[in-house]
This record gives sequence, structure tokens and C-alpha cells, in this order.
Amino acid sequence: GNSVTQMEGPVTLSEEAFLTINCTYTATGYPSLFWYVQYPGEGLQLLLKATKADDKGSNKGFEATYRKETTSFHLEKGSVQVSDSAVYFCALPIQGAQKLVFGQGTRLTINP
Amino acid sequence: DVKVTQSSRYLVKRTGEKVFLECVQDMDHENMFWYRQDPGLGLRLIYFSYDVKMKEKGDIPEGYSVSREKKERFSLILESASTNQTSMYLCASSSPTTGSQGRYEQYFGPGTRLTVT
Repeated sequence: GNSVTQMEGPVTLSEEAFLTINCTYTATGYPSLFWYVQYPGEGLQLLLKATKADDKGSNKGFEATYRKETTSFHLEKGSVQVSDSAVYFCALPIQGAQKLVFGQGTRLTINP
Repeated sequence: DVKVTQSSRYLVKRTGEKVFLECVQDMDHENMFWYRQDPGLGLRLIYFSYDVKMKEKGDIPEGYSVSREKKERFSLILESASTNQTSMYLCASSSPTTGSQGRYEQYFGPGTRLTVT
């Protein structure tokens, strides 16, 4: 079945550094792919998504490209801010079911 | 904007109590979910409902039950709370789409942090 493997954390960076959080998937066909973000003490929010191969999702300066050749959907941001400190989850649908499978989450801390 | 609300942000209960966690969504979504989130274990699905009065067990249903009497409301019930149910509980909703895998984007509530003492 569909599955996702996400870069383990925690990740600590300085403000304005470049960020990459890796996500690779195993899937039948070309499912939609998602990145969710969870700020401290809150629920998950959809950060960005891509619904077909080669699509690029973007939001709040974050980007991720749906790469079918490498079965990856890595999250990137060119210059992180302290306010980006959060836990990030990669996710995709479970085949044949109306549910999502989530990665383990990557905790990101940005120091000023 | 889609809004998913949960009845409490923080809850403290005693061992053996019956606990109700309520979730309401305002987008007429067919699907609703209950997850628990624990450090190092990520998100784990407890129960899933795809229609009123319909439910499906998730990965960790033991010790929990659910109720969906109305489309907008999905309740998680801990019949007899135990300390190992201390956790963050997250509710989510989504709307099914056509196609084999579709989009299945889920919308989450703010979470309820439950402590059982």
C-alpha cells in the first residue's frame, strides 16, 4: 500500500538559512501529496499540496515539487524565520481508502 | 474557510471516568476522523466515519468508541479513561472526491490535550 518516509528530526537552523525536509513515498499511481504544518499547541494545517506529477505546491515561501522519477516531495524554503518553528508532516492518500497516511513529522526549530 | 472545532483545548479527567470529546465541522464534509498524537509515534488513526451512523476502526480503536448522529458532529468516547490515554486528540474532516485516490485533503481542529490522572 501507499506509504511515506520522512526525514527524521529534530532540525535546528539559524534564521535566514535554507531549509530542506525530505519526503519520499511509495504509491500505486500518482496520488496527491501534502505537507501539513503544526505550530506549537495547535492542530495541523495544510501548508501546500500537489495533485499530479511535476506539480509544484507553494505557500508562505515554502515549495515542494512532485517528482515521480525519484518518488519524492521534498519541502524547501530559501530563508527561514523564527516563526517557521513547527512540526512538519508529509502525507498522501491510502490507496483505495479516503484516508491519509502521515509521515512521522519533523520538528523544526529556528534560532534568531 | 473550513472550520473544525473541538469542544475543549485542555481536559483533565480521572481514571475510570467516561470521557466525551466532541468535534464539529461546518463544511458539510462526509468524512470525519479522530487521531491521537504522541511524541515519537506521530499521528495514529483511532476511528473514521464516512457518513452519518457509519464508522470504521482505525489503527488503534481499543478503549475508544465513536458516535456520529449528525453529519457535522463526530464524538470520541473513552468508556473508562486510563492513564495511557493521556494524549493530544485531533479531529479532522474531508470531502470524498471521484477518482481512485483523489485529493482527500483533511482539515484539522485545534486539538484537545487530555490528561488522565
